[in-house]
Amino acid sequence: GQNIDQPTEMTATEGAIVQINCTYQTSGFNGLFWYQQHAGEAPTFLSYNVLDGLEEKGRFSSFLSRSKGYSYLLLKELQMKDSASYLCAAPTDSWGKLQFGAGTQVVVTP
Amino acid sequence: DGGITQSPKYLFRKEGQNVTLSCEQNLNHDAMYWYRQDPGQGLRLIYYSQIVNDFQKGDIAEGYSVSREKKESFPLTVTSAQKNPTAFYLCASSDTDSLPGNTIYFGEGSWLTVV
Repeated sequence: GQNIDQPTEMTATEGAIVQINCTYQTSGFNGLFWYQQHAGEAPTFLSYNVLDGLEEKGRFSSFLSRSKGYSYLLLKELQMKDSASYLCAAPTDSWGKLQFGAGTQVVVTP
Repeated sequence: DGGITQSPKYLFRKEGQNVTLSCEQNLNHDAMYWYRQDPGQGLRLIYYSQIVNDFQKGDIAEGYSVSREKKESFPLTVTSAQKNPTAFYLCASSDTDSLPGNTIYFGEGSWLTVV
């Protein structure tokens, strides 16, 4: 199985940068996902890392270190609309079954 | 538009009742999933199906049942055996021929409340 840990909440000001860390323990590895979820809505896919290193997509970047069982999601130039929960997730096998972390609530203040 | 449709968005259940949540997808995906989300927690897998007429229990299947008679449809029944059903339920689907990270889609979710 998987153990996935991430902080409960983070607060940052508009325009700043926030880094959300995720550590995982897994018996097998099939990549790591990040999702964004606004309150009461479905999660939306942000990124998928399967190799070590940083992947950048606009204001959002995701980093993976397989040897350390560690990933982070970096949100740059924060906007108010980025206030949401960010979920770290790992597949439990080669299919789409995902084990989710509890989510990190990011609060963006003016 | 292609996507996953869940209904109803809000549902109230009386004690002892069974209720069914609908999930339909027109993405031609083979695999479908049901997740439950409680406040402040991550999603937990209830059931999943990789192909028509086959499904498997997830981590918290007790008190739930599913069917997969058609590729497009994967309804979830919350039975009276589920003692704490109040939660946000999310249906998802994925294309098993592709990398999971690119093709897992979620429906808009259904809120179930016991009254």
